[in-house]
Amino acid sequence: DADVTQTPRNRITKTGKRIMLECSQTKGHDRMYWYRQDPGLGLRLIYYSFDVKDINKGEISDGYSVSRQAQAKFSLSLESAIPNQTALYFCATSGTTGSIWNEQFFGPGTRLTVL
Amino acid sequence: AQSVTQLGSHVSVSEGALVLLRCNYSSSVPPYLFWYVQYPNQGLQLLLKYTSAATLVKGINGFEAEFKKSETSFHLTKPSAHMSDAAEYFCAVSESGANNLFFGTGTRLTVIP
Repeated sequence: DADVTQTPRNRITKTGKRIMLECSQTKGHDRMYWYRQDPGLGLRLIYYSFDVKDINKGEISDGYSVSRQAQAKFSLSLESAIPNQTALYFCATSGTTGSIWNEQFFGPGTRLTVL
Repeated sequence: AQSVTQLGSHVSVSEGALVLLRCNYSSSVPPYLFWYVQYPNQGLQLLLKYTSAATLVKGINGFEAEFKKSETSFHLTKPSAHMSDAAEYFCAVSESGANNLFFGTGTRLTVIP
């Protein structure tokens, strides 16, 4: 079974609709991240959370919000989707023990299309 | 501020040939550097990382990278390309002790039979 899962894997929606992307992990990690990937732009950080009570904006948080419902769950919401939010979205997790830097583990991605 | 530049959005090599993917970084503090690989329809997987120990880092699948501070580079190499190496490769930088990654724009590697 996958350690980091994302639902849905694909979603097509219309401009103005509210969308929630969900991420769950079984790795027991404290830290969770949301990225978007656009062709030619690489991955950019949207939000990150170092524990349930800690939420931080990333490089491109405008138009997005997040919720850390539990250590294992981190959701990304688009309150009113717009076409330029069409992208591939990745969730990632990392631990906080064992080394100075801890590897990030990525989910399989959610492909979102906003018409 | 940290940033990463990957030269060449597409690289093609013949099977068995040397793979060289270029990455240059900018960081105001000693960086941690990473290479990730993304196979089609999958998430990213860590290939290797530099975290201030040995400057020549060996990763999975025969890849390695060398940290060169004077050139601010962290190029990825593999002596002999295999068809299964076809994927997109991302270089990323992080400040020491921080977990936030800044990614390059990626290089798509094609391996020609």
